[in-house]
Amino acid sequence: DADVTQTPRNRITKTGKRIMLECSQTKGHDRMYWYRQDPGLGLRLIYYSFDVKDINKGEISDGYSVSRQAQAKFSLSLESAIPNQTALYFCATSENRKGDTEAFFGQGTRLTVV
Amino acid sequence: GQSLEQPSEVTAVEGAIVQINCTYQTSGFYGLSWYQQHDGGAPTFLSYNALDGLEETGRFSSFLSRSDSYGYLLLQELQMKDSASYFCAVKNQGGKLIFGQGTELSVKP
Repeated sequence: DADVTQTPRNRITKTGKRIMLECSQTKGHDRMYWYRQDPGLGLRLIYYSFDVKDINKGEISDGYSVSRQAQAKFSLSLESAIPNQTALYFCATSENRKGDTEAFFGQGTRLTVV
Repeated sequence: GQSLEQPSEVTAVEGAIVQINCTYQTSGFYGLSWYQQHDGGAPTFLSYNALDGLEETGRFSSFLSRSDSYGYLLLQELQMKDSASYFCAVKNQGGKLIFGQGTELSVKP
């Protein structure tokens, strides 16, 4: 079983719809992240969380919200999806240690907004 | 603000050596790491440098110069399976993990 699981893996939705992308992890890590990947733009940070009570905006948080329901679960919501939110979304986790930046990624969710 | 710059594309032949550079600007700095991604799959961790110098892991090495805000990933004895995108990433004092735009490496026979 994957250590970081994203659901769904693929989703097509209509403009204006609300959609939630879910991420769960079995690694026991405190830190969780949501990234968006577009061709030529790399991985851009949307939101991140260092524990259940901690939520922080990343580089491109407008139009998104998140919920850290438990240490193992971090959900990303698009309240009213728009076509330019079509992208590949990744969840990642890491340990809360200064020296170790290894992040573990889920397999991604390919979202298409039509 | 924070930014990382790396070349968008690099092409090399099988068996050769290739270097992918990364320069960064960040508020506070804990270290520079490198990730590999095949065809839109999950990025996977390759290496991490917190201190100046060269870290070697098999065919891959990574270098950091903190004074120059610069690092590179060196891939030796290139294989076809090394064709992928490579990302540098920095972790700042706030704990944010920020990625560069990625370098697409094409290995030719």
